[in-house]
Amino acid sequence: GNSVTQMEGPVTLSEEAFLTINCTYTATGYPSLFWYVQYPGEGLQLLLKATKADDKGSNKGFEATYRKETTSFHLEKGSVQVSDSAVYFCALSGGGATNKLIFGTGTLLAVQP
Amino acid sequence: DAEITQSPRHKITETGRQVTLACHQTWNHNNMFWYRQDLGHGLRLIHYSYGVHDTNKGEVSDGYSVSRSNTEDLPLTLESAASSQTSVYFCASSPDRGGTGELFFGEGSRLTVL
Repeated sequence: GNSVTQMEGPVTLSEEAFLTINCTYTATGYPSLFWYVQYPGEGLQLLLKATKADDKGSNKGFEATYRKETTSFHLEKGSVQVSDSAVYFCALSGGGATNKLIFGTGTLLAVQP
Repeated sequence: DAEITQSPRHKITETGRQVTLACHQTWNHNNMFWYRQDLGHGLRLIHYSYGVHDTNKGEVSDGYSVSRSNTEDLPLTLESAASSQTSVYFCASSPDRGGTGELFFGEGSRLTVL
């Protein structure tokens, strides 16, 4: 079945450091891929998405490229801020006539000043 | 502004009691979902609905039930609460059935079963 694997956390960085959070997936067909972010005490919110191979999603300085050949969708940011501290979830859609998402286990990012 | 609200935000109950978590959205979305969030497991789908009177089981549906009598609400019921159901529960909604994938989440309900 479809699944998502994320790198284990927590990830601790200093402000202005480069961020990479790895995400790989297993899926049949051509799923859409997503990154969601959860700030402390809040629900998840969509950060970015890509719907087909080689698409790059971007938002708030974060980027991720849909790599079909390596089945990956790694999240990157060139210079993190303290306000980026949150839990990040990679997810994929079930595809077809469904809006069900399959989530990874989440990666906690802590950015220190 | 349209929104999705969950209640209660925090609940402590005892093993064996029935518990209902409410979810209400004002976007008029057809699709609604319940997830539970546990350390090491991420989010797992409990039940979902694509419209009024439609309900479907997710990957961890045992011990839970839902009903959809109108577009706005999808209450989640634990018929007989167990300690294994201690978790944070998130309700989400989306407007369309196609695979665009954007879900809108509530702020979560933290349930403790003693």
